[in-house]
Amino acid sequence: EAGVTQFPSHSVIEKGQTVTLRCDPISGHDNLYWYRRVMGKEIKFLLHFVKESKQDESGMPNNRFLAERTGGTYSTLKVQPAELEDSGVYFCASSPSTSGSMFFGPGTRLTVL
Amino acid sequence: KQEVTQIPAALSVPEGENLVLNCSFTDSAIYNLQWFRQDPGKGLTSLLLIQSSQREQTSGRLNASLDKSSGRSTLYIAASQPGDSATYLCAVRLGYGGSQGNLIFGKGTKLSVKP
Repeated sequence: EAGVTQFPSHSVIEKGQTVTLRCDPISGHDNLYWYRRVMGKEIKFLLHFVKESKQDESGMPNNRFLAERTGGTYSTLKVQPAELEDSGVYFCASSPSTSGSMFFGPGTRLTVL
Repeated sequence: KQEVTQIPAALSVPEGENLVLNCSFTDSAIYNLQWFRQDPGKGLTSLLLIQSSQREQTSGRLNASLDKSSGRSTLYIAASQPGDSATYLCAVRLGYGGSQGNLIFGKGTKLSVKP
């Protein structure tokens, strides 16, 4: 069974540019999550989808971040315009329910110059 | 507000030693607790999941315990090997409100097992 996949693995952009990160969850997992780890800090929650609906987006830092999950399959996280403090590793995770194990992807390392 | 703390931040041990990693959380109203392993440049690998009603879980050389009332969990690694070198993360899943789905992470313990 394929795990959670994320694309790209690395992205280097200039401040003010736009970047779109993609996550493909494990097939059949209704729950999809985005997390972020910035340098020296713990991994922090961004948002949670149940199928195509946003269940909880309390962790989204500001309106420069937009997440979508069209059709309840893959998800995208767009940062527009990117700022220096957005640099970090963005993880996607999926789970079949909110009570079981959460499975993480390898992450996308975003560097904003 | 739930906070998760992991001690120590880093640990170096000789191969073969048994070791304990500690995790504490401030709010006992958790749904479950999960231990992960992260290798450099890689994603998180789930090691053990303990539901709030359970006291411990075991997988191979790993044993995780949970004392919800005191807000503590430990990850015991028996007969450590160089391949165990990684960062170990503890995360709790909240058990209330609209935030039931998300995990609160500690900063991790970086383990180095020397041959």
